[in-house]
Amino acid sequence: RKEVEQDPGPFNVPEGATVAFNCTYSNSASQSFFWYRQDCRKEPKLLMSVYSSGNEDGRFTAQLNRASQYISLLIRDSKLSDSATYLCVVNWGRQLTFGSGTQLTVLP
Amino acid sequence: GAGVSQSPRYKVAKRGQDVALRCDPISGHVSLFWYQQALGQGPEFLTYFQNEAQLDKSGLPSDRFFAERPEGSVSTLKIQRTQQEDSAVYLCASSSRVGEGGYTFGSGTRLTVV
Repeated sequence: RKEVEQDPGPFNVPEGATVAFNCTYSNSASQSFFWYRQDCRKEPKLLMSVYSSGNEDGRFTAQLNRASQYISLLIRDSKLSDSATYLCVVNWGRQLTFGSGTQLTVLP
Repeated sequence: GAGVSQSPRYKVAKRGQDVALRCDPISGHVSLFWYQQALGQGPEFLTYFQNEAQLDKSGLPSDRFFAERPEGSVSTLKIQRTQQEDSAVYLCASSSRVGEGGYTFGSGTRLTVV
């Protein structure tokens, strides 16, 4: 079983749609949680950190449920430029552990 | 520098050849990581340096893989006797904070072994 599991998609949604990604992690000692975005043939870039209280950054909302070991990302009013792979990332100790990513394509 | 710089950007190696991949982290960053990303997968941890000390090499897939950071800045990942399964993107990341996330990644080196 992978340490961080995500639905690989692909998710194809029309512009303006709301889309949600889910992720589960296996290590209950995990300390920090993130969503990274990776464009095709580019490096991963930090999208946002995820906190237990939930946090929002513009159209993006992230939630963490430590009891269920579950992380989510909600994108509202999706734009063409949101098309990318979204990586769920968990940190315990020093290293980051990545999920395989969920591919999103926003269609005009 | 302004970001994490990796070279070469692309490398084609014949099976059995040795390769060396370079990472130039953001100046002053203490933590440096190497990751391997296969097509369609997320990055997989290879090794971690804190300054010049290699504190974790548990992710290196075999003894053909070797990494160093002798002066605590530039790092080199060396792969000896490359095999086809070594074909992947090798990503370097650095951070100024020990033990926390939010790392900055370089653009990676795409290695193809033929």
